[in-house]
Amino acid sequence: KQEVTQIPAALSVPEGENLVLNCSFTDSAIYNLQWFRQDPGKGLTSLLLIQSSQREQTSGRLNASLDKSSGRSTLYIAASQPGDSATYLCAVRTGANSKLTFGKGITLSVRP
Amino acid sequence: KAGVTQTPRYLIKTRGQQVTLSCSPISGHRSVSWYQQTPGQGLQFLFEYFSETQRNKGNFPGRFSGRQFSNSRSEMNVSTLELGDSALYLCASSWDRASDTQYFGPGTRLTVL
Repeated sequence: KQEVTQIPAALSVPEGENLVLNCSFTDSAIYNLQWFRQDPGKGLTSLLLIQSSQREQTSGRLNASLDKSSGRSTLYIAASQPGDSATYLCAVRTGANSKLTFGKGITLSVRP
Repeated sequence: KAGVTQTPRYLIKTRGQQVTLSCSPISGHRSVSWYQQTPGQGLQFLFEYFSETQRNKGNFPGRFSGRQFSNSRSEMNVSTLELGDSALYLCASSWDRASDTQYFGPGTRLTVL
């Protein structure tokens, strides 16, 4: 059974700091991994999708890496801004038509 | 292009009642998935529909059911509501396979009293 862990549950950083959010999963035989952002009371916004054959994906100030052998993914946020404050969730899929298994998320607060 | 829409946005029900939630996917998307989000359990997968067929199902009791119509719109039904069913119910759509990038709606906040 795939389990996804995100530690710590909350993180507070000053504006401008580069930061890394971690995600670990127990079954390394994944199909893809997706990072999402969720603002309070809202739905999820997809940030980056990494296929199992890829090592990383980039979008603007965001970079996500994937290391299947160690069961880890990281989301790197460069030059953080107060608008980046949200909960960041990692989700893993083990097969093309299998369900998404989510971590519980990391709530990020970027202080002005 | 309109995003995923969910109706209603908020619902208050009492124990024992039933409820139906609706999800309209992005135009052209054929896969619709449903999730339950609670503070304690996080996001949990309910089921996925593709071309009116349930393609995948999570570990929820039979009180939770769903369907998909020919226009890809989907509904989720919960019968005999329990207090523990209070949650944010999220719907997500994708182009073809559920493994494609998923686009989420804003959710329906269900409160069971």
